[in-house]
Amino acid sequence: SQTIHQWPATLVQPVGSPLSLECTVEGTSNPNLYWYRQAAGRGLQLLFYSVGIGQISSEVPQNLSASRPQDRQFILSSKKLLLSDSGFYLCAWSFLSNTGELFFGEGSRLTVL
Amino acid sequence: QQQVKQSPQSLIVQKGGISIINCAYENTAFDYFPWYQQFPGKGPALLIAIRPDVSEKKEGRFTISFNKSAKQFSLHIMDSQPGDSATYFCAASSRGGANNLFFGTGTRLTVIP
Repeated sequence: SQTIHQWPATLVQPVGSPLSLECTVEGTSNPNLYWYRQAAGRGLQLLFYSVGIGQISSEVPQNLSASRPQDRQFILSSKKLLLSDSGFYLCAWSFLSNTGELFFGEGSRLTVL
Repeated sequence: QQQVKQSPQSLIVQKGGISIINCAYENTAFDYFPWYQQFPGKGPALLIAIRPDVSEKKEGRFTISFNKSAKQFSLHIMDSQPGDSATYFCAASSRGGANNLFFGTGTRLTVIP
């Protein structure tokens, strides 16, 4: 069966510090990978998605970037965090055939102080 | 611009009652309408989904009602239980693609014992 791992679960960082959130998927090959941000009252906002190694699509301009160095690894990064980057970040994957179902990780709670 | 509008933002229901969450959309190209359930501190998980060729889909106590002409769909939770207390997100996509899945803003359901 497929599993998704996301870490760290919680993170408290000062403004201006770098960020790295990691996500790995097991039990499947060539998944589509996604990073979402969840803010209260605003639902789930798609930040990035990837259909293959090195292929990243950005949905919104922001202070964040994403990379996919391996088939089942997806990384969310920032060089300098802003207060507005605080939130709950979710990694997700879907089958390459893109049936429409997303499988989410447990999430990472980021607080920027 | 919110592609999928969800209401209410929060809902309190007595145990055994019916919980109803409504969503509306404008894009007639949408052809896949899933509902996700999210428990506190966890990632969302697919609960039930419907395609526009049927007007209703039932899985256990959960039912999606779909009105194509009104461009509305709703989730009904029959015999609501305290364990159903969670945030529910409706979503919609076209061509069944997870990379263009638009989420509603979520409904926080509380079922009182």
